[in-house]
Amino acid sequence: AIQMTQSPSSLSASVGDRVTITCRASQGIGNDLGWYQQRPGKAPKVLIYATSRLHSGVPSRFSGSGSGTYFTLTISSLQPEDSGTYYCLQDSSYPLTFGGGTKVEIK
Amino acid sequence: EVQLVESGGGLVQPGGSLRLSCAGSGITLSDQYMDWVRQAPGKGLEWIGRTRNKANSYSTEYAASVKGRFTISRDDSQNSLFLQMNSLKTEDTAVYYCTRDNSFCTGGNCFTSFDIWGPGTMVTVSS
Repeated sequence: AIQMTQSPSSLSASVGDRVTITCRASQGIGNDLGWYQQRPGKAPKVLIYATSRLHSGVPSRFSGSGSGTYFTLTISSLQPEDSGTYYCLQDSSYPLTFGGGTKVEIK
Repeated sequence: EVQLVESGGGLVQPGGSLRLSCAGSGITLSDQYMDWVRQAPGKGLEWIGRTRNKANSYSTEYAASVKGRFTISRDDSQNSLFLQMNSLKTEDTAVYYCTRDNSFCTGGNCFTSFDIWGPGTMVTVSS
């Protein structure tokens, strides 16, 4: 199975900060990577799919990049509503695998 | 409004069985790829299985951790998806989510996103 390693596991940043989360795959997955946001007690929500495609309705401050084994999610200007846990998901091969998550806290 | 709602969670003893349901409204599930994802208390997300749509014969894929114990099925007349869980273990304790797998291909490229999720149903395996 492809292992997805996310970093950092948690971060604390101020409103307006630029935040970057990384995800590394244990083998190449092309562009088959998505990013999901989960708030406490809620179901996850898709932010980005296919590495860089913004899901409908997701604010443009979210962006994704990368290919192969290295991927990033960037929030260009952190907002209070962005607190939560972020997960990457590879859908290149079975079993699909999530990263371990990055908890984002607002200072 | 498009909605997925899971049901059937509860407390079950190790070795027991449970059947979860996922009902769709505002969406025809037989046209969709559907997946199950779970989350153990305080832990991350784990993909556990996929069923392709009717056009692809509802074929399935499973994670190794549940293969042979869990089975995904559907009932088109109820517009529902099911997860039959047998031989349950304490490590199966989790919130179980069904999610629409919006897989599509265009311009020679194929994309996947889990774009609709149910609120989840809690399964506790304990004696």
